Amino acid sequence: TQLLEQSPQFLSIQEGENLTVYCNSSSVFSSLQWYRQEPGEGPVLLVTVVTGGEVKKLKRLTFQFGDARKDSSLHITAAQPGDTGLYLCAGVRDSWGKLQFGAGTQVVVTP
Amino acid sequence: NAGVMQNPRHLVRRRGQEARLRCSPVKGHSHVYWYRQLPEEGLKFMVYLQKENIIDESGMPKERFSAEFPKEGPSILRIQQVVRGDSAAYFCASSPGLTGELFFGEGSRLTVL
Repeated sequence: TQLLEQSPQFLSIQEGENLTVYCNSSSVFSSLQWYRQEPGEGPVLLVTVVTGGEVKKLKRLTFQFGDARKDSSLHITAAQPGDTGLYLCAGVRDSWGKLQFGAGTQVVVTP
Repeated sequence: NAGVMQNPRHLVRRRGQEARLRCSPVKGHSHVYWYRQLPEEGLKFMVYLQKENIIDESGMPKERFSAEFPKEGPSILRIQQVVRGDSAAYFCASSPGLTGELFFGEGSRLTVL
């Protein structure tokens, strides 16, 4: 059973388009993290959101934590081919290192 | 600055053999975590170690799997008598403390024939 559900599982868009990835749960998390993973490599942390309703921006990426701290979204504006990758959300409950990961959203941005 | 180093990157074993995966954390990091990633699934927490101590092994199967992080040397994840279902990518991550940021290695991909 996946505690964190990510949608969609796969997203293919053209360069310049916008996209949103969702991460939903019925459980409350103390914080939530987003990672990006490329083939053959380990995940790399993009952002940590802690407060319900929090919005963080990282260049063209906007991350939001739901008010109830059960869900999150990642929005990419004007996607570029370099944004291609597997985006993973991970919830923190018991301790920082013991993360609950979603299955990921594979994003493909074509030129 | 070296990141988390894992080896081997790829390992092939036959059923019943042993697999040993090694992880050297970022220099100065004393917290090590092991995760397993199966195809089409997210990463699953296995075990959390500090130097010479297992802090949380709630995600690790009770049989055949063991982990250690000795005073000197890398952390080792050991899988005895491997079965095909053990085929997966095993990732190690480290952190300097309870900081909230994990640094992941590139993973060790185990294939069991």
